[in-house]
Amino acid sequence: GEDVEQSLFLSVREGDSSVINCTYTDSSSTYLYWYKQEPGAGLQLLTYIFSNMDMKQDQRLTVLLNKKDKHLSLRIADTQTGDSAIYFCAERSYNTDKLIFGTGTRLQVFP
Amino acid sequence: NAGVTQTPKFQVLKTGQSMTLQCAQDMNHNSMYWYRQDPGMGLRLIYYSASEGTTDKGEVPNGYNVSRLNKREFSLRLESAAPSQTSVYFCASNSRDARTQPQHFGDGTRLSIL
Repeated sequence: GEDVEQSLFLSVREGDSSVINCTYTDSSSTYLYWYKQEPGAGLQLLTYIFSNMDMKQDQRLTVLLNKKDKHLSLRIADTQTGDSAIYFCAERSYNTDKLIFGTGTRLQVFP
Repeated sequence: NAGVTQTPKFQVLKTGQSMTLQCAQDMNHNSMYWYRQDPGMGLRLIYYSASEGTTDKGEVPNGYNVSRLNKREFSLRLESAAPSQTSVYFCASNSRDARTQPQHFGDGTRLSIL
C-alpha cells in the first residue's frame, strides 16, 4: 500500500540550513507536497513538485526529488526561529485525488 | 478571505455522546476532506467528498459518518463518541483539478472524549 515516512525530529541552529527528508512508496505519485503546521493551526502549503522534476527552488526553500529512490527532501536555507513548526510531506497518486501524509517532522530552531 | 472554516475549535465530550463537526469553504471547491491528526501518525483520511452529493470512505472511517450538505459544507458526525476518537480533526478542500491545486486546511477542531 501507499506509505510515506519521515523522521520525527530535527534540531538546528538559527542561520544554519535545515534538511527534512521523506520517503514514499507509490511509484505512480504525480505530485509531492510540503506542508507546514504551526502550533494550534492547520496545515499551510509551502511548495510542491511534479514527479517529472528533480528540483524546485522558491526563495529559501529547495525541494529535491530522487524518483528512482522515492526520496524527497526540503532544504530551508538560513533557518529562522519562525521556521520552527511541524513539516509534512504528502504524495498524491495518479489514480486518486487523495493525499497520503507522512508522520511529520518537528523542526526546532535554537539561537 | 475566510477559506476553510471549522466549528467548534474545541470540544469535550463524554463517552457515548454524539456530536457533529462543521466545515464550510468559500472557495467554490468541489472536493472536501476530513482528517484526524494523532501524535506520531500524521494525518489520516476519514472520509472525503469528490463533489456535492457524493462521499467515500478514507483510511479510518469506522465510528464516523459524513454529510455533504451542499457544495460549501461537509460535516463529520460521531454517533457514539469513544476515547479512541480523541484527536485533532481537520477539514480540507480543493478544486476538481486536484493534481495541481493544493488542499486548503481549516484550523482544526480539538476533540477530547472522556
